[in-house]
Amino acid sequence: NAGVTQTPKFQVLKTGQSMTLQCAQDMNHNSMYWYRQDPGMGLRLIYYSASEGTTDKGEVPNGYNVSRLNKREFSLRLESAAPSQTSVYFCASSEWLASGNTIYFGEGSWLTVV
Amino acid sequence: GQQVMQIPQYQHVQEGEDFTTYCNSSTTLSNIQWYKQRPGGHPVFLIQLVKSGEVKKQKRLTFQFGEAKKNSSLHITATQTTDVGTYFCAGITGNQFYFGTGTSLTVIP
Repeated sequence: NAGVTQTPKFQVLKTGQSMTLQCAQDMNHNSMYWYRQDPGMGLRLIYYSASEGTTDKGEVPNGYNVSRLNKREFSLRLESAAPSQTSVYFCASSEWLASGNTIYFGEGSWLTVV
Repeated sequence: GQQVMQIPQYQHVQEGEDFTTYCNSSTTLSNIQWYKQRPGGHPVFLIQLVKSGEVKKQKRLTFQFGEAKKNSSLHITATQTTDVGTYFCAGITGNQFYFGTGTSLTVIP
C-alpha cells in the first residue's frame, strides 16, 4: 500500500516548456487535489477533483490544467512554464466519511523553472 | 472567501521550552485538523477536532478547538529537537480543506 505516489520528484524546466506531474493513489479515495507550497504562503490549492469525472479550480489555477484520468490518477499539466511556477507541488487524496476525513499527501515534486 | 490565518509564521525556541501556534478562521468550521511537515517532507495528519471546545492530547501535544469553532491552537510542552518542522492547521467546511499558512518551528539544542 503505497498511498499517494507522485512523479517526478525533481524537475528543472526552461521558461515556456511544458510538463505533466503525475499522481496516483491506491486508497480508493474519491477526492484528489493538487497544492503548491511556497515559502510563507502555506499550501495553496491549485485544482481538485471531488470524484472521478469532475475537476474544479482552487485558489491558484492560472497556468495549470488537470486531468482526472480515472479514480486512481490525477495529473497536473503546465502548458508553458514560467519562473513564478517554481515551487513544491503536492498531490493529495481524501475520502469523505461521516466520522471525518483525512487528507493524505504525496512526497512532493520540486519544480524549478529557469 | 474562506480564510484561515495562522500565527506566528516562525518560532525559535530553546529545547525544553514550550511552543504554541494559533489558527483563526474567518468563518465557522465543521472541524479542524492539524498536520506536521518535517523539513523536506510532506504534511502528515496529526489529529482532528470536531466538537466546540474540544481538547485533545497526544503526549506533549495539546490541541484545542474554540467554542465558536473558528479558532484552534496547538501547544507543545517541553519541546524536543524531534518537534522541528512546520505545523499546519486545516479548517474543513463542506468538502473543502482550507490550510493555514503554517508555523515553522526551530528547536535549538
